[in-house]
Amino acid sequence: QVQLQESGPGLVKPSQTLSLTCNVSGGSISSGGYYWSWIRQLPGKGLKWIGYIYYTGSTYYNPSLKSRLTISVDTSRNQFSLKLSSVTAADTAVYYCARRGDGGRALDYWGQGTLVTVSS
Amino acid sequence: DIQMTQSPSSVSASVGDRVTITCRASQGISSWLAWYQQKPGKAPKLLIYAASSLQSGVPSRFSGSGSGTDFSLTISSLQPEDFATYYCQQTNSFPRTFGQGTTVEIK
Repeated sequence: QVQLQESGPGLVKPSQTLSLTCNVSGGSISSGGYYWSWIRQLPGKGLKWIGYIYYTGSTYYNPSLKSRLTISVDTSRNQFSLKLSSVTAADTAVYYCARRGDGGRALDYWGQGTLVTVSS
Repeated sequence: DIQMTQSPSSVSASVGDRVTITCRASQGISSWLAWYQQKPGKAPKLLIYAASSLQSGVPSRFSGSGSGTDFSLTISSLQPEDFATYYCQQTNSFPRTFGQGTTVEIK
């Protein structure tokens, strides 16, 4: 059973960089066939797709965040990461990592989510 | 970006009721649509992929249909554990986009 777990600071100051890591267990990122994703949910709001990465390092980013966004993968540690620079209060959200499976390109496994608050 | 519009935004229903939620895409997405269920404080859970395929482990009272621009999720007989918010997501093109959500509330 694949499991994903987000980790990282819960509080980030404005203008700084938000950094999160998603640790994957129960399966290897390097096995191929899956894309490793980030999604966020503003407080009380809907879901927004941030982007995803293949184990080879190939990425797909949401254009609305692309200028501030870096998603990377570390196959040796079986984890992938998100960095979002120059954050503002508008980036306060619950951040989820998830796996894009091979069924209809849908997100079939999700982490529990981590709340990141941007505040001084 | 492809806009996904769900209706209604919320629905009140009783246990045993049949509930249908619709999702409309701003342009054709073939059958590249997924449905998720989210309960408060929890991550979304995949219910349906490719518009009508039931994810493993999901009860058969959930079903999906549609193609092109119009899709629906039906719960044939609402159970207490089904009170939640439901989201559609298009997986046809980038960026992936979600509907705004439909909350199924207890009547």
